[in-house]
Amino acid sequence: DAGVTQSPTHLIKTRGQHVTLRCSPISGHKSVSWYQQVLGQGPQFIFQYYEKEERGRGNFPDRFSARQFPNYSSELNVNALLLGDSALYLCASSSSRTGTDTQYFGPGTRLTVL
Amino acid sequence: RKEVEQDPGPFNVPEGATVAFNCTYSNSASQSFFWYRQDCRKEPKLLMSVYSSGNEDGRFTAQLNRASQYISLLIRDSKLSDSATYLCVVKSVGFQKLVFGTGTRLLVSP
Repeated sequence: DAGVTQSPTHLIKTRGQHVTLRCSPISGHKSVSWYQQVLGQGPQFIFQYYEKEERGRGNFPDRFSARQFPNYSSELNVNALLLGDSALYLCASSSSRTGTDTQYFGPGTRLTVL
Repeated sequence: RKEVEQDPGPFNVPEGATVAFNCTYSNSASQSFFWYRQDCRKEPKLLMSVYSSGNEDGRFTAQLNRASQYISLLIRDSKLSDSATYLCVVKSVGFQKLVFGTGTRLLVSP
């Protein structure tokens, strides 16, 4: 069975540009969450989407936005990139909105902002 | 104060050693607790959930003390393949936000 997939795997952008990262959850999973992991730190929660609606938002500026499509795939958009946005962006999927089921992470997109 | 605190290490141990990691969390509303393992430049993977009664999975034992808001992971008979970063994770009831600690790096040497 396919796991969570993310694209692209690597991305290099310059300050001020915008970026779109994509995630496809495990088949049957309706919840997608996004995390940012800066080098040397644990992942930090950005958003959760369930059934195409935002269900949770972390402490990130409005430059970060996301959406979920009818097939439950998701996009994370970051505008006006800053050097500090350089990080590994992880997508996680699970089958429920609030339950204790396991979240499965994708391999991540490594974003470098120059 | 960080919501989940861990000793970043690294912990350098020889093969066969027993090593213990500790973690504290500050949100008393936390309901679910986990240890994730993350290999270098890879995604985190669930190692085990942690229950109040304590639980064991092979060489790994996890304990939770809700009163002290303290979580531990014990690895017995360390293998070279155990070298990784171990992330302590808590989740509050209500939605799927996982709160990660900084991670503890383990290096097992021959």
